[in-house]
Amino acid sequence: EAQVTQNPRYLITVTGKKLTVTCSQNMNHEYMSWYRQDPGLGLRQIYYSMNVEVTDKGDVPEGYKVSRKEKRNFPLILESPSPNQTSLYFCASGGGIAHGYEQYFGPGTRLTVT
Amino acid sequence: GIQVEQSPPDLILQEGANSTLRCNFSDSVNNLQWFHQNPWGQLINLFYIPSGTKQNGRLSATTVATERYSLLYISSSQTTDSGVYFCAVEGYNAGNMLTFGGGTRLMVKP
Repeated sequence: EAQVTQNPRYLITVTGKKLTVTCSQNMNHEYMSWYRQDPGLGLRQIYYSMNVEVTDKGDVPEGYKVSRKEKRNFPLILESPSPNQTSLYFCASGGGIAHGYEQYFGPGTRLTVT
Repeated sequence: GIQVEQSPPDLILQEGANSTLRCNFSDSVNNLQWFHQNPWGQLINLFYIPSGTKQNGRLSATTVATERYSLLYISSSQTTDSGVYFCAVEGYNAGNMLTFGGGTRLMVKP
């Protein structure tokens, strides 16, 4: 089954404790992206990657890091989480210009930073 | 960047009623998708429809790219249709980034 998976689905952590949210897709997509969703602000892009070893900032990259060492994986790293990073996070993947523009979203990770 | 506006922002229906949700966008697009966000927060792909018309069961969508709008039709609504419906577009020079509209919050009452 074609899908995007994220782990963990729920996470409660404390300020300053480094964490990683994993994202994996099995559709051989070049493009992957992270979004955060906040009440009243909608979905905003954090980082995206057009291919392996290629990453770029989205609208709200501050406080986040990403890496794309393999095509299927695109982890989101919070080096020193703060309460304003409490949010619902979505990973997405898409085929891009070569394989069609439709994007698929993971189930979401609900993060609370206390 | 590209602007996406959805209307209405809120909609309450009685079960069995039909509805039309609208998405206006400000520029040409490579991609337009409709999503349903269910009460558990999951974003479910409904349609990939940068132009034309598609149907899937009780749902159908039409995008008129030259006039920069898309419509999502829900017929014979059910309580399970409740949630938030998002339109998202990718502009021609957006590098695969989707810009989401503000959503239409739908509540279907039994």
